Amino acid sequence: DVKVTQSSRYLVKRTGEKVFLECVQDMDHENMFWYRQDPGLGLRLIYFSYDVKMKEKGDIPEGYSVSREKKERFSLILESASTNQTSMYLCASSTGGLAGRTDTQYFGPGTRLTVL
Amino acid sequence: GDSVTQMEGPVTLSEEAFLTINCTYTATGYPSLFWYVQYPGEGLQLLLKATKADDKGSNKGFEATYRKETTSFHLEKGSVQVSDSAVYFCALRPNNAGNMLTFGGGTRLMVKP
Repeated sequence: DVKVTQSSRYLVKRTGEKVFLECVQDMDHENMFWYRQDPGLGLRLIYFSYDVKMKEKGDIPEGYSVSREKKERFSLILESASTNQTSMYLCASSTGGLAGRTDTQYFGPGTRLTVL
Repeated sequence: GDSVTQMEGPVTLSEEAFLTINCTYTATGYPSLFWYVQYPGEGLQLLLKATKADDKGSNKGFEATYRKETTSFHLEKGSVQVSDSAVYFCALRPNNAGNMLTFGGGTRLMVKP
């Protein structure tokens, strides 16, 4: 089975702190994604990576950056956390690469981040 | 741009009741359509999908039919169980974007014994 793990289930940080959210997948997937989930808004894509060191902005990249130094690991970075970044963050992975057409994304359990 | 609209929840049903969760979409061309489910404390997982008009996706007693004429992909189940309590997300993949999914807002289903 595909397994996507996220470093923390719950995280509490203070305004202005630098925050790292880590995601690891064990199926050698080319694509990895970071979403945030907010009530009534569904999932919104923050960033997408289709290969090591490659990234594409999603719908809401402002205030975030990402890093993908190894194929299995995709990190989301909040350079200076703000209260409006309090949310559930979901990582996902899939096969396909940039030109691929893949149906299924596999999700981690999520990290609930609270910024005080 | 592409979008997915779902009925707002929560939807509260008694066990063995019939379930419908409405989903409509706006997209150019022929997107692929999906239902994902999120059980409490877990990430999303694919429930079913349909890739062309009139296709019916099915899994675990759930069904949804891709209706191009009404741009809809409503989720149905004939007899829900308490274990079906979860949040359900409708999503689409545009036909010109290999990897991106656009999600609806999610619908919480609560099934009472």
